[in-house]
Amino acid sequence: DVKVTQSSRYLVKRTGEKVFLECVQDMDHENMFWYRQDPGLGLRLIYFSYDVKMKEKGDIPEGYSVSREKKERFSLILESASTNQTSMYLCASSPLGSGGTYNEQFFGPGTRLTVL
Amino acid sequence: EDQVTQSPEALRLQEGESSSLNCSYTVSGLRGLFWYRQDPGKGPEFLFTLYSAGEEKEKERLKATLTKKESFLHITAPKPEDSATYLCAVQAPNDYKLSFGAGTTVTVRA
Repeated sequence: DVKVTQSSRYLVKRTGEKVFLECVQDMDHENMFWYRQDPGLGLRLIYFSYDVKMKEKGDIPEGYSVSREKKERFSLILESASTNQTSMYLCASSPLGSGGTYNEQFFGPGTRLTVL
Repeated sequence: EDQVTQSPEALRLQEGESSSLNCSYTVSGLRGLFWYRQDPGKGPEFLFTLYSAGEEKEKERLKATLTKKESFLHITAPKPEDSATYLCAVQAPNDYKLSFGAGTTVTVRA
């Protein structure tokens, strides 16, 4: 079974703090993703990575950065946390698709971040 | 821009009362449509992928179907353990990303 783990289930931080969210997958997937999920807004893509050291902005990258130094690990960084970044953060991974094949994403359990 | 609309937002069912959830989408050339189940406080769990119109997939009491503009998730004789939020997502060709709908929250009462 694909397993995606996230470093914390719940996290409480203060405004202005630097926050690191870690994600690890054990299926040798090429692609990894960070989403946030808010009531009424659904899942919104923050960043994704298709290879080590490669990253692309998603729909809402402002205020976030990412790091992928190893294939299995993808980190989300909040440089200076703000209250509007209080949310559920979900990491996902998917295998590399090739012409016509699908790319279902497998999700971790999520990190509920509260910024006070 | 890809758009995914799910309806209804919420669905309350009696145990055994079959129903359907709708996912309508606009995407230029669908690569895949995905259904997920999400329990409160947890990450989405993958259910199905559909590639082309006319395709159907089944898993226990769930059946997903696909047309050129929408997908349906049919829940047959639901049980309380089927209570969850069901998410639909689409992927365009040559794109790593999934575009998600807001979800339908299903509550099944015993």
